[in-house]
Amino acid sequence: EVQLVESGGGLVKPGGSLRLSCAASGFSFRDYPLSWVRQAPGKGLEWVASIIGTSSSIYYADSVKGRFTISRDNARYSIYLQMDSLRPEDTAVYYCARGKGAVGATIGIFDSWGQGTLVTVSS
Amino acid sequence: EILMTQSPATLSVSPGERATLSCRASRRIPINLAWYQQKPGQAPRLLIYDISTRATGVPARFSGSGSGTDFTLTISSLQSEDFAVYYCQQYADWPPWTFGQGTKVEVK
Repeated sequence: EVQLVESGGGLVKPGGSLRLSCAASGFSFRDYPLSWVRQAPGKGLEWVASIIGTSSSIYYADSVKGRFTISRDNARYSIYLQMDSLRPEDTAVYYCARGKGAVGATIGIFDSWGQGTLVTVSS
Repeated sequence: EILMTQSPATLSVSPGERATLSCRASRRIPINLAWYQQKPGQAPRLLIYDISTRATGVPARFSGSGSGTDFTLTISSLQSEDFAVYYCQQYADWPPWTFGQGTKVEVK
């Protein structure tokens, strides 16, 4: 069974930093791309960042480019999201999601999701 | 960036009835359209991809259709567990991968 478990969320002041983690199990981790998708309170889904299995291709939403960094450790079956220069509008539940295909458009078919971790940016 | 627009925002349906949800893309999408279901307090769940292919374990009462810029998710006979928010998403032109704003299916 595919499992994705996020951690690292919490309350942080504007301008601060936070590092999210996603621990995976139940599948051949290095063969799949993984992404972060966020959901602000009471709002819809917003794709944030994606990384393919080899880490050779990484993609970011314009809203986080230059502030967030996605990475993965295939030996630890984990991905990370380093979030710097946080803003109140970054407040959201952050989901880790697996891509259905290894490369290309199917990176963005999200076939398994974690339960999410809440990040609150407030003074 | 392809913008996705869903309608209606809220759909009131009685159990056992059919529900039809719409999604429109700002540009033509060949086949790269997915639907997700999200229940309160839960993560989204993939229902449909490639316009009409059901994901593993998704009941046959869920079906997707459409072409070009206009797409539909149909739930043939609503069950109690189907009351949720549904999102469409494109993966034709990326990044970014973009979602619609969601349609809430509620009990009439």
